Amino acid sequence: GDSVTQMEGPVTLSEEAFLTINCTYTATGYPSLFWYVQYPGEGLQLLLKATKADDKGSNKGFEATYRKETTSFHLEKGSVQVSDSAVYFCALRSNGQNFVFGPGTRLSVLP
Amino acid sequence: NAGVTQTPKFRVLKTGQSMTLLCAQDMNHEYMYWYRQDPGMGLRLIHYSVGEGTTAKGEVPDGYNVSRLKKQNFLLGLESAAPSQTSVYFCASSYPTSGPSTDTQYFGPGTRLTVL
Repeated sequence: GDSVTQMEGPVTLSEEAFLTINCTYTATGYPSLFWYVQYPGEGLQLLLKATKADDKGSNKGFEATYRKETTSFHLEKGSVQVSDSAVYFCALRSNGQNFVFGPGTRLSVLP
Repeated sequence: NAGVTQTPKFRVLKTGQSMTLLCAQDMNHEYMYWYRQDPGMGLRLIHYSVGEGTTAKGEVPDGYNVSRLKKQNFLLGLESAAPSQTSVYFCASSYPTSGPSTDTQYFGPGTRLTVL
């Protein structure tokens, strides 16, 4: 079945550091790919998405490119802020309506 | 426009007790979902619904029942709670009947359930 693998956390960075959170997937067909973010005490919210190969999703300084050849959707940000501290989930939606989520990566940004 | 709301926010049960979690959405979404979130395991799908009056099992349905009597509401029931059901429960909805954002899930704030 479909699956999503994310790098293990927690990830701890200093403010203004470069962020990469790796995500790879296994799916049949051509899934849509997502990054969701969960701030402390809240539900998940969509950060960005890409629906076809080579698409780049971007939002709030975060970017991720849909790489079909490597089945990856790595999340990047050039300069993180303390307010980016959260748990980040990579997810996919293949044929049908069910989403598959990765285990999440906790990011802590220190001032 | 409240989005997705969940009731209650917190609950403590004793083993064997029953309860119902309520999820409501005001976005006219067709699809609704119940997930549980456990440390180190991400989100796991319990049950979902693709429309009013329909329900289907997800990855971890045992010990839970659901109902979708109205399009805007999706109820999750625990008939006889067990400590293994201690978790944070999230409801989500997706696939509006019109508009561009047909491929995104919208989540509620979660219900933290503890079963003693």
